[in-house]
Amino acid sequence: SQKIEQNSEALNIQEGKTATLTCNYTNYSPAYLQWYRQDPGRGPVFLLLIRENEKEKRKERLKVTFDTTLKQSLFHITASQPADSATYLCAPYNQGGKLIFGQGTELSVKP
Amino acid sequence: DAGITQSPRYKITETGRQVTLMCHQTWSHSYMFWYRQDLGHGLRLIYYSAAADITDKGEVPDGYVVSRSKTENFPLTLESATRSQTSVYFCASSAFQGREETQYFGPGTRLLVL
Repeated sequence: SQKIEQNSEALNIQEGKTATLTCNYTNYSPAYLQWYRQDPGRGPVFLLLIRENEKEKRKERLKVTFDTTLKQSLFHITASQPADSATYLCAPYNQGGKLIFGQGTELSVKP
Repeated sequence: DAGITQSPRYKITETGRQVTLMCHQTWSHSYMFWYRQDLGHGLRLIYYSAAADITDKGEVPDGYVVSRSKTENFPLTLESATRSQTSVYFCASSAFQGREETQYFGPGTRLLVL
């Protein structure tokens, strides 16, 4: 069955450092993959989308890579800030307009 | 207000009772989704709808019923609530079945079944 794996342990980093989150998927080949941010008590919010023919996508301090051979996406936040603390969800596209969401990785940025 | 809203935001009920969670969006998006979020499982799709009067099962549909008589509303009913249905429920919408459409989520409903 299709499976999405994200770092289950929380990631704790110091302000100003680069945070790197990993998303691995198995048993399918998504045409694109999305990343969402979720703050406590709120619904997820879309951040970035990367297509299968794109190796890298950037938006301000965010960078996403998509390696279809490794079946992996990496999500980077450069010059991290305490306001970046949240849970980040990976969501590869499935058929019929549906996404499959990973469990998410909790990021904590300490000042 | 524009956007996607859910009601109630919090609900406590008892085992065996019927509960309906409401979802309303003001964008006229074609697609709507219901997810549940539990520790250790992430977001799991319960039901989705491609348009009014068109619904389909997701990953975990058992014990749930949906309807979509109007484009803007997508209620989720727990016919006979069980403790395992204690969860946070999110409704989402997207514009159409383009492969790159993002989903917009509501604020969630926290449901406790005693």
